Amino acid sequence: SYELTQPPSVSVSPGQTASITCSGDKLGDKYACWYQQKPGQSPVLVIYQDSKRPSGIPERFSGSNSGNTATLTISGTQAMDEADYYCQAWDSIRGDVVFGGGTKLTVL
Amino acid sequence: QVQLQESGPGLVKPSQTLSLTCTVSGGSISSGGYYWSWIRQHPGKGLEWIGYIYYSGSTYYNPSLKSRVTISVDTSKNQFSLKLSSVTAADTAVYYCARDFSGGATFDYWGQGTLVTVSS
Repeated sequence: SYELTQPPSVSVSPGQTASITCSGDKLGDKYACWYQQKPGQSPVLVIYQDSKRPSGIPERFSGSNSGNTATLTISGTQAMDEADYYCQAWDSIRGDVVFGGGTKLTVL
Repeated sequence: QVQLQESGPGLVKPSQTLSLTCTVSGGSISSGGYYWSWIRQHPGKGLEWIGYIYYSGSTYYNPSLKSRVTISVDTSKNQFSLKLSSVTAADTAVYYCARDFSGGATFDYWGQGTLVTVSS
């Protein structure tokens, strides 16, 4: 089965840039998206089709996807960005939606 | 503004069938263009896609759950439903319904989630 791998945790200082990676075999050939989930809340889509931001998502969130790695970048990270982040892709061969294991972003 | 709301029993006995309904407001399932999904999250764990349905009734399921899952739609009530059979404690999770606007699994609206516990 197709797998997406994320680092369990990433730490960043307020105002700095956070990068969260997501690795999968030839992930760059698929569309990747990213979700933010805060404790006790439902996930929120922050990036889709590799690099597009839904309406209402701050410009400090950006994404890229090439080769085997998709990356979510948060520029000028704020305390409110502390959350779990999940990458996700569609495995069209198996017909399966795959999520990464999630990365806990700590802003300290 | 589209809203999704899950409903159903919070406690299911082992070997029985878990049944949940998602009621959609602010938009019509029958208008097409969107896929309606179920996703679950085991306590303290990551997300797992269960499957989706189109307003026409076409379905697509997670291969690992396919033998136990049925998703159906009732366009007259603007609802879609999940049935998961032969449940075990491993099916204890928060179950979310969500809208996929791309057909390639991009979930832009989510319900608040409902915790289903499998226990005798």
